Amino acid sequence: GAVVSQHPSWVICKSGTSVKIECRSLDFQATTMFWYRQFPKQSLMLMATSNEGSKATYEQGVEKDKFLINHASLTLSTLTVTSAHPEDSSFYICSANPWTSGSLVEQFFGPGTRLTVL
Amino acid sequence: AQTVTQSQPEMSVQEAETVTLSCTYDTSENNYYLFWYKQPPSRQMILVIRQEAYKQQNATENRFSVNFQKAAKSFSLKISDSQLGDTAMYFCAFVQGAQKLVFGQGTRLTINP
Repeated sequence: GAVVSQHPSWVICKSGTSVKIECRSLDFQATTMFWYRQFPKQSLMLMATSNEGSKATYEQGVEKDKFLINHASLTLSTLTVTSAHPEDSSFYICSANPWTSGSLVEQFFGPGTRLTVL
Repeated sequence: AQTVTQSQPEMSVQEAETVTLSCTYDTSENNYYLFWYKQPPSRQMILVIRQEAYKQQNATENRFSVNFQKAAKSFSLKISDSQLGDTAMYFCAFVQGAQKLVFGQGTRLTINP
């Protein structure tokens, strides 16, 4: 149980195009999902917190118009990188937090998406 | 703001040896959770072990155990009888309240045959 998938696992796009990455919780409902960015040999950097049915909360320094997040259902959150540029090339990881009644539950991570912008 | 520090960028040990990874954190809160995550070359984040701050007993999971020193704000991971499959990046992480994980910089662990 507690499986999170991401699609695609690897995407290459041209500069100026937009790319959508999907994050799905396969066997549980997730009211909260998180999007991280990871540069080579570095730690995970939280980009935004996505709550089902409401606007995402972005971390300081993350451009909300650049990285559009939609959490339309309890099992799906999407990250769209708009007008992608080579500096957006990175490894993007999502995680999902299963809903419980007031207790902390660990985050379950997706396998990540490698984005390369040419 | 909470911070997590891993002071060992890289470590290397021989197979079957015991290795300890260090982690310190800074918080003014009393109730929180600490985690060690493993990220192998596949880059899938895998939970290794977690510790609730209100529990004094150190968490253990098979070959993995922690030394949780709340007063010192220290949370080290001990891997016993290390195996080749333990080769990975290891991240210490902290979470409190809003469930926003704060990660350390990571330690790259290599197990040599």
